[in-house]
Amino acid sequence: QKEVEQDPGPLSVPEGAIVSLNCTYSNSAFQYFMWYRQYSRKGPELLMYTYSSGNKEDGRFTAQVDKSSKYISLFIRDSQPSDSATYLCALEGGGADGLTFGKGTHLIIQP
Amino acid sequence: DTGVSQDPRHKITKRGQNVTFRCDPISEHNRLYWYRQTLGQGPEFLTYFQNEAQLEKSRLLSDRFSAERPKGSFSTLEIQRTEQGDSAMYLCASSPPVRNEQFFGPGTRLTVL
Repeated sequence: QKEVEQDPGPLSVPEGAIVSLNCTYSNSAFQYFMWYRQYSRKGPELLMYTYSSGNKEDGRFTAQVDKSSKYISLFIRDSQPSDSATYLCALEGGGADGLTFGKGTHLIIQP
Repeated sequence: DTGVSQDPRHKITKRGQNVTFRCDPISEHNRLYWYRQTLGQGPEFLTYFQNEAQLEKSRLLSDRFSAERPKGSFSTLEIQRTEQGDSAMYLCASSPPVRNEQFFGPGTRLTVL
């Protein structure tokens, strides 16, 4: 079992829909949780960063962490075609091990 | 632009050649990371510097891979005797001193023929 599981998709939704993206993880040592957006052939762009269970909101994005279930989510409200990209969850244990990424979910927002 | 920069953006080389990539982190970010990303996968952590000290290098893929950060500013990643399996996107990221967010550069896409 991989340390971080993420459905690669593709996930296709109509413009304006609420999008839910998820990751599960197995290592309880992970303390920091991030979501990145990556357009084709570009570097990942940090969207959300959190280190505690609960919700964190930033504009149209909400990150949710449930440490007891080892489950993290990213919600996108009022989705736009420009949101079409690959979304990567990334977790860190706080040491020198770098980030552990999921495979990424390919999201398509249909106009 | 004050983000992480990487050079070159694309590199095509023949099998057996050595290649070197450069990363310039965000100013005042003391931590620097290298990752490799292959098609359809998330980035894979390779190595980590705090200032000029390389604190983690056991995840470098083989002894053909090495990295330096000589004065705690820019960093280089070298691959010796390249193989076709080294073809990938090589990403650099940096972090500020007291937070764990990592900010990525645009990457260097390597193609080994």
